Amino acid sequence: KAGVTQTPRYLIKTRGQQVTLSCSPISGHRSVSWYQQTPGQGLQFLFEYFSETQRNKGNFPGRFSGRQFSNSRSEMNVSTLELGDSALYLCASSLLGNRFTPSGANVLTFGAGSRLTVL
Amino acid sequence: AQTVTQSQPEMSVQEAETVTLSCTYDTSESNYYLFWYKQPPSRQMILVIRQEAYKQQNATENRFSVNFQKAAKSFSLKISDSQLGDTAMYFCAFMKQGSEKLVFGKGTKLTVNP
Repeated sequence: KAGVTQTPRYLIKTRGQQVTLSCSPISGHRSVSWYQQTPGQGLQFLFEYFSETQRNKGNFPGRFSGRQFSNSRSEMNVSTLELGDSALYLCASSLLGNRFTPSGANVLTFGAGSRLTVL
Repeated sequence: AQTVTQSQPEMSVQEAETVTLSCTYDTSESNYYLFWYKQPPSRQMILVIRQEAYKQQNATENRFSVNFQKAAKSFSLKISDSQLGDTAMYFCAFMKQGSEKLVFGKGTKLTVNP
């Protein structure tokens, strides 16, 4: 069973550019979440999508956006890149992703991440 | 808002010995899950163990076990018979029931020495 696939694995951009990262969840997983990991701030939640709808959003500026497609694949976009956007961006998927999921569920499986460097 | 605190930025242990990583959290939620994830140098975040807050019994997964103290809001991870492959960053994380959002601690860098 294939895991969570993130592309690209590495990319370098310059300030002011925009970037799009892609995430393919495990087959059958309907919820996709994104996290930003930096040495200073640690792991921070960006947003979560379920059935093409953003259900939850972290405390990030509007330059960070995302979407989910009907096949559950997700993309996130960062516009007008800043040096501080340099980070490892992690995607995670989960099986049920239902707000009313009974106890015992909600295990997130992570991808290997996309390492973004902004120069 | 929930917070997760890992007070040990770095730890080291000799191969085959036992080590305990600490984690405390703060929440007003009654139903939630707690997790330990490891992130080796390869960067892949891997689930180590999960605990449902309503369960009094501590979770165990082979060499990994937790000490869950709900009243104290403490969730420590014990690694027995440490192996070189256990070298990684370990993150404690909180998720309230019905949510897919993880709140992570800052992590503990564990080094297992031969």
